[in-house]
Amino acid sequence: QVQLVESGGGVVQPGKSLRISCAASGFTFSDYGMHWVRQAPGKGLEWVAFIWYDGSNKYYTDSVKGRFTVSRDNSEKTVYLHMSSLRAEDTAVYYCAREIFGVLSDHHVMDVWGQGTTITVSS
Amino acid sequence: SAELTQDPAVSVALGQTVRITCQGDSLRNYFASWYQQKPGQAPLLVIYGNNDRPSGIPDRFSGSTSGNTASLTIFGAQAEDEADYYCNFRDSSGSQWVFGGGTKLTVL
Repeated sequence: QVQLVESGGGVVQPGKSLRISCAASGFTFSDYGMHWVRQAPGKGLEWVAFIWYDGSNKYYTDSVKGRFTVSRDNSEKTVYLHMSSLRAEDTAVYYCAREIFGVLSDHHVMDVWGQGTTITVSS
Repeated sequence: SAELTQDPAVSVALGQTVRITCQGDSLRNYFASWYQQKPGQAPLLVIYGNNDRPSGIPDRFSGSTSGNTASLTIFGAQAEDEADYYCNFRDSSGSQWVFGGGTKLTVL
């Protein structure tokens, strides 16, 4: 079955870096764009980043531009989010999600989500 | 960037119909998708496009758009529908995705 599994979360000090991963299975990973979405404690969903199916284009929300980098390894069926200069306000559960535009739909939709990995930025 | 506005909270009596709305100027040109999130769980896609439902989503969930407002309607709400609901779309720049602030649905 289609599955996304995030890993790599933890507690990190402000200003430090961390890389989280999202491993995909059950579908042809290299056909799909992938999103990262986060949710701060008690808050709503916030889109963070998107990477095209082939990694050729990457987009970020303004608050993480220049600090976060999304990448992927299609041979490993994994998408990554490298986070640097972390701030307290980056504390959140980070989800990866599959984008189905151009493959399963004519609409931009996040159809499958992982269970999330928790990042806590604290000294 | 574009914004999507949702009512923070809505309640419905068990078995009744409830509409959850999402407002934004860009919705005049783009469909929203809708996600359900229960406590401690990942979001779940319930409606996308022109009222499309993923496999496994009950047909009591329905989506529509009128003007600048997208709506998620639940016909005959069940106890298990109690959750947070978020609307979402990709804005006209093509490089940003936006979520509404979410609506907490209580089934009484």
